[in-house]
Amino acid sequence: AQKITQTQPGMFVQEKEAVTLDCTYDTSDQSYGLFWYKQPSSGEMIFLIYQGSYDEQNATEGRYSLNFQKARKSANLVISASQLGDSAMYFCAMREGLSGGSNYKLTFGKGTLLTVNP
Amino acid sequence: NAGVTQTPKFRILKIGQSMTLQCTQDMNHNYMYWYRQDPGMGLKLIYYSVGAGITDKGEVPNGYNVSRSTTEDFPLRLELAAPSQTSVYFCASLRGRTTDTQYFGPGTRLTVL
Repeated sequence: AQKITQTQPGMFVQEKEAVTLDCTYDTSDQSYGLFWYKQPSSGEMIFLIYQGSYDEQNATEGRYSLNFQKARKSANLVISASQLGDSAMYFCAMREGLSGGSNYKLTFGKGTLLTVNP
Repeated sequence: NAGVTQTPKFRILKIGQSMTLQCTQDMNHNYMYWYRQDPGMGLKLIYYSVGAGITDKGEVPNGYNVSRSTTEDFPLRLELAAPSQTSVYFCASLRGRTTDTQYFGPGTRLTVL
């Protein structure tokens, strides 16, 4: 089974609207972390937001928020007030075994290509 | 701070050739990683290191070798290049706290013909 599943290969959103990018994960660990990265067409990986499995509140960073539903094992990224510059690939990633010995490795999903239309 | 730097940015290899992808970080991070990204896919871990002199295999290590003689440098060696190794290669580093994100280099785009 895939550890990180992003079911939306592509998404479209109108400028200034909000969009949700889906991410579900699979782990038996109790302590883990979830990340979202943005990869624009230029290719670099840009960190957006982090959610720890024990964090009681959903993470927020500016226009980005993470809708964390632990029981459903989902960690969806919400981008509010979309901008043209948000057009990019978005990757969800998980770090398992935070209780020890994980070596902080990341497992990535296949990504969602977001296109923001003017 | 330059962060994580990778050289070269682009490279074309012939089948059977060898090369080394360079990765250097100036943040004194203990942890370093090599990933590959195939077209339309996420990143897959090739090798990683938890400190100088210590390396370990990731998910897709076949056809690659690494070494970590210093904290700063983590080169990735491709021996006998194959078309299946055509990919974008990212190096990343991490200080080592639970909430830390990995800092990524700009990537090396490798084509094997």
